[in-house]
Amino acid sequence: GQSLEQPSEVTAVEGAIVQINCTYQTSGFYGLSWYQQHDGGAPTFLSYNALDGLEETGRFSSFLSRSDSYGYLLLQELQMKDSASYFCAVRPGNTGKLIFGQGTTLQVKP
Amino acid sequence: GAGVSQTPSNKVTEKGKYVELRCDPISGHTALYWYRQSLGQGPEFLIYFQGTGAADDSGLPNDRFFAVRPEGSVSTLKIQRTERGDSAVYLCASSDRGSRDEQFFGPGTRLTVL
Repeated sequence: GQSLEQPSEVTAVEGAIVQINCTYQTSGFYGLSWYQQHDGGAPTFLSYNALDGLEETGRFSSFLSRSDSYGYLLLQELQMKDSASYFCAVRPGNTGKLIFGQGTTLQVKP
Repeated sequence: GAGVSQTPSNKVTEKGKYVELRCDPISGHTALYWYRQSLGQGPEFLIYFQGTGAADDSGLPNDRFFAVRPEGSVSTLKIQRTERGDSAVYLCASSDRGSRDEQFFGPGTRLTVL
């Protein structure tokens, strides 16, 4: 089976940098994705790592290390609107389904 | 362009009733997914369609749950003999199977079983 672990909550101040970690146990997967979900909203795609290393998209970066079964999402120059839940997800094998972690609630304070 | 739409946005039903939840994916997306999300949890996979066929239904919890996509676009998730434990937000997503695994989610249907 597959399981992903994330911290349940993270708090940071506006303008700061925050890292949300994701550790996983899976026999194999096609890549690690990150999704953002505001309260009452739909999950929206943020980033995807197919290979080890860092992927950068504006203020957001994501990292994957398959040898360590570990990834993280890095959010820079935090803004109040970044307050949301963040989910890591893996696609196990050649199917379309995503397996999500339980999510990390990020609270950005002024 | 239009995103994924789901109807109804809210559904309240009584235990034992039958419900249908509808998903309209992004036009041209061949892959369609159903997930279920309980409060404070991540989305939980239910079923995945590639075109008209269910390519993976391993997440359906039991035989009360069934989904169809007869023409390869709109999909309906059907739940028979609803139970209070079925209460959750049911999310639909679609994708154009590229390498980035980006799935586009709809706003969800909040199902409440009384």
